[in-house]
Amino acid sequence: GAVVSQHPSWVICKSGTSVKIECRSLDFQATTMFWYRQFPKQSLMLMATSNEGSKATYEQGVEKDKFLINHASLTLSTLTVTSAHPEDSSFYICSASRDSEYEQYFGPGTRLTVT
Amino acid sequence: GDSVTQMEGPVTLSEEAFLTINCTYTATGYPSLFWYVQYPGEGLQLLLKATKADDKGSNKGFEATYRKETTSFHLEKGSVQVSDSAVYFCALRRGTSYDKVIFGPGTSLSVIP
Repeated sequence: GAVVSQHPSWVICKSGTSVKIECRSLDFQATTMFWYRQFPKQSLMLMATSNEGSKATYEQGVEKDKFLINHASLTLSTLTVTSAHPEDSSFYICSASRDSEYEQYFGPGTRLTVT
Repeated sequence: GDSVTQMEGPVTLSEEAFLTINCTYTATGYPSLFWYVQYPGEGLQLLLKATKADDKGSNKGFEATYRKETTSFHLEKGSVQVSDSAVYFCALRRGTSYDKVIFGPGTSLSVIP
């Protein structure tokens, strides 16, 4: 159990458009979901933490108006990259936690390329 | 603040060699410690974990022991295989579901036949 999926797995979009990435916990209810960004050959950088039904908490330096996070239910969180630019090209990974557990369950990631 | 430090890579080993990837952490209290593995083009997979001092996590021949006195969680494997080639991340997390995971910079491992 504890499977997290992401959709799409990869996406190419034109500069100025918006892209939505979905993160779903398939077989459990996720109290909290996290969104990370990973640049090539680098570690994961936490972008924001979201709890179902409340506003996301963004890390310092992350533009909340650019990276819109919606945690609509206990099994779904979405990240929308608005007005995407080439510098937003990256690998975006979500993770989810069950209540009172130490472990985070990671999705397979979404590779975004903005042309 | 909390942080994780790992040995710099890349690390290149011959098949069946012994592997050690050093990891040390800075944190208040008693965090949980993790090793994650990322294969090329994929997301992260939990490799092993330890939630309290002196715990040993193990999986797929990999081991790591939570050493509170040295604030370390070194990853070891007695005999690596080509299929172990990946990036390995040491990480910590305080508390439970609401706390973020703090990752080390990652160590790239290449195993050659």
